[in-house]
Amino acid sequence: GAGVSQTPSNKVTEKGKYVELRCDPISGHTALYWYRQSLGQGPEFLIYFQGTGAADDSGLPNDRFFAVRPEGSVSTLKIQRTERGDSAVYLCASSLNSGRDNEQFFGPGTRLTVL
Amino acid sequence: AQSVAQPEDQVNVAEGNPLTVKCTYSVSGNPYLFWYVQYPNRGLQFLLKYITGDNLVKGSYGFEAEFNKSQTSFHLKKPSALVSDSALYFCAVRDMGGPKTIFGAGTRLFVKA
Repeated sequence: GAGVSQTPSNKVTEKGKYVELRCDPISGHTALYWYRQSLGQGPEFLIYFQGTGAADDSGLPNDRFFAVRPEGSVSTLKIQRTERGDSAVYLCASSLNSGRDNEQFFGPGTRLTVL
Repeated sequence: AQSVAQPEDQVNVAEGNPLTVKCTYSVSGNPYLFWYVQYPNRGLQFLLKYITGDNLVKGSYGFEAEFNKSQTSFHLKKPSALVSDSALYFCAVRDMGGPKTIFGAGTRLFVKA
């Protein structure tokens, strides 16, 4: 079956612009996660959804970052007034549910470059 | 707060030799521990996990890891390395709070033919 997909694969934008990154989870997975991976670092947790609701958004760095999952499937990560420090690979993952022992399946990521 | 340390930025090993990639963790309560591998231009792939039970966990591609509670370690091992094992390896931990995963900074493994 299809894995987690993310679009676009690459996004180049200018400082101050607004961007949206999309994640399509594996069909039937109720939990969805966003991570950010900066160069030379491991993925950093941002937020996760169980169904339509954000269960833990403690990793969002500031109020310029926001994520939604209105129908409990596709999720969009939104970044307002982008800054050069936002440049990173944004990873999405999904799991069958939000149980602590569940394997999270990762997408290929969206590489965001803020000029 | 949860944390994961991978003390080696890079590990070099000759093909056919055993390999070890080190990981230590800090977490409250009983940890859930994971290893992931990342190949160039590909997503993170799950290798193995420790939840409970036997301290030696076997995973994909011949990898295994040993949970050591007293040393708070979860080192990744393979008896005989392949050139195709060359990749970036991440150790990760979840605490009792839920599925939020904390990753280490990663260790790059080079296997030389």
